Amino acid sequence: RKEVEQDPGPFNVPEGATVAFNCTYSNSASQSFFWYRQDCRKEPKLLMSVYSSGNEDGRFTAQLNRASQYISLLIRDSKLSDSATYLCVVRPTSGTYKYIFGTGTRLKVLA
Amino acid sequence: GAVVSQHPSRVICKSGTSVKIECRSLDFQATTMFWYRQFPKKSLMLMATSNEGSKATYEQGVEKDKFLINHASLTLSTLTVTSAHPEDSSFYICSARGTSGPSYEQYFGPGTRLTVT
Repeated sequence: RKEVEQDPGPFNVPEGATVAFNCTYSNSASQSFFWYRQDCRKEPKLLMSVYSSGNEDGRFTAQLNRASQYISLLIRDSKLSDSATYLCVVRPTSGTYKYIFGTGTRLKVLA
Repeated sequence: GAVVSQHPSRVICKSGTSVKIECRSLDFQATTMFWYRQFPKKSLMLMATSNEGSKATYEQGVEKDKFLINHASLTLSTLTVTSAHPEDSSFYICSARGTSGPSYEQYFGPGTRLTVT
C-alpha cells in the first residue's frame, strides 16, 4: 500500500461547480498534512495546511479524519484558474521533516 | 515569504556527462534541504535530505554515488548527477526548511528540467 494515495483523476467540472478530493495515508502516526497545488511544469505551491478541526480559506475547505486516516479538500465555485494538479502531502512522523507526496489529482475546470 | 531559487532552470546534456544543479535559499538560512525528482504525470519522489555540514541522507533505491549532494553553507545545496543517462531525464526540485516559523514547513524551488540525450 502506498503511503499516501489519491485518485489521479482527471476531474472535469464546469465553472461554478463544487468538487471534492480525498486522500488516504497509511501511517497513523503522521503529524502534519497539507494540500499543495502544482501547475504544469512548475513547482508545487502550498495551498493550505490541514488542521484537525478542519479549516477554510476562501473557497477552499480542508478536513482531516485521523480515525479513518484521510484528508479532504473541497473547492467551491470552481474557477478556470483552479485547473491544476492537487497534491496531498503528509509529514509522516514527529522525528522527521520529510514530506511524502501523493500522486496528485488533476482538476480541469471547463468554461 | 521565503524564496528558494534553482539554477539552471533547464539543462540538456549528453549521456555520460555530469550536471550540477544549485539550490539556494535567498532570504533565509536553511539547515535542511530536500531533493526531489518528478517524472511526467507522476508525483514528487524524495531522493535525499541534505543537512548543512554533514552527509546527505538518501532514500532507499537512490544511488548516492550517482547523485552527489553537497550542502556546504546554510544557503546553498548542490545536486550533481554524475555520468548522466537518458533515464535520468526528469524534473528535479529542491526545497528548503527554514529556521523560523513552522519548523516543518518546506519552501520549494522552481525546479530544474534535465534532459539527457
